[in-house]
Amino acid sequence: SQTIHQWPATLVQPVGSPLSLECTVEGTSNPNLYWYRQAAGRGLQLLFYSVGIGQISSEVPQNLSASRPQDRQFILSSKKLLLSDSGFYLCAWRKGTSINTDTQYFGPGTRLTVL
Amino acid sequence: AQSVTQLGSHVSVSEGALVLLRCNYSSSVPPYLFWYVQYPNQGLQLLLKYTSAATLVKGINGFEAEFKKSETSFHLTKPSAHMSDAAEYFCAVTHSGSARQLTFGSGTQLTVLP
Repeated sequence: SQTIHQWPATLVQPVGSPLSLECTVEGTSNPNLYWYRQAAGRGLQLLFYSVGIGQISSEVPQNLSASRPQDRQFILSSKKLLLSDSGFYLCAWRKGTSINTDTQYFGPGTRLTVL
Repeated sequence: AQSVTQLGSHVSVSEGALVLLRCNYSSSVPPYLFWYVQYPNQGLQLLLKYTSAATLVKGINGFEAEFKKSETSFHLTKPSAHMSDAAEYFCAVTHSGSARQLTFGSGTQLTVLP
C-alpha cells in the first residue's frame, strides 16, 4: 500500500529564516505531487505541483519554491520566511495521469508558525 | 476555469439529525468532484468522489452525495449525525489539465451537538 510522509510535523521559525519541508511517498512510482497551504480560517491553496523529477509548476507567485530531486520526494523551501507564510502545509500525491486516477491522497501536514 | 462554492462556513446539527453540506461547482468540462474531511491538525481524508458513473455516490462513514448537473451541485448528506462527524469538510473539483490539480472550496466546519 502507499503511504505519504511529511516532516517536520510542527515548526516555529523566525521571520527571515530559511525553510525546508519534506514530503516523501512510498509504495508507488512516478506520482504527481502537490503542495497546498491552508492559512487560518481559509481553504486550501495549491502552491506547486510536479508531474515528474525536476518538473515544477507554480500556481501562486510568492517567496516559496519547490523541488523534486527524486521520483517520490517533494521539497518546499524558502530563503527568507515572512509572517504571511504561517499556515498548515499539506503534501498530496496522485497516481498517474489518467482521469480515472484523479484521487489525491494527503499527508499528515506540517504546521508552520513564523514569529 | 473550475471553481467550487461551499455555502455555509459553519453548520451545526444535533446528534442523530440529518447532515447536509452544500457544494456548487462551476466547470467548463464534465467535472470530477470530491468531498474530503479534515480532523483538527490532520491531513485530508477522502470521503467520496464522483467520476461520471452513478450520480449518487456513497462514501465512507455513512456519507453520500448526489451529482445534479442541472443544479451544478454536489451536496453531501448523512442521515444521522454522530459526534465523531465533527470536522471540517471540503468539496473539490478537478482541473482539466494534465496534472489534474484540485480546486477546493473554502470548507464547512461541522459541529455536532449532543
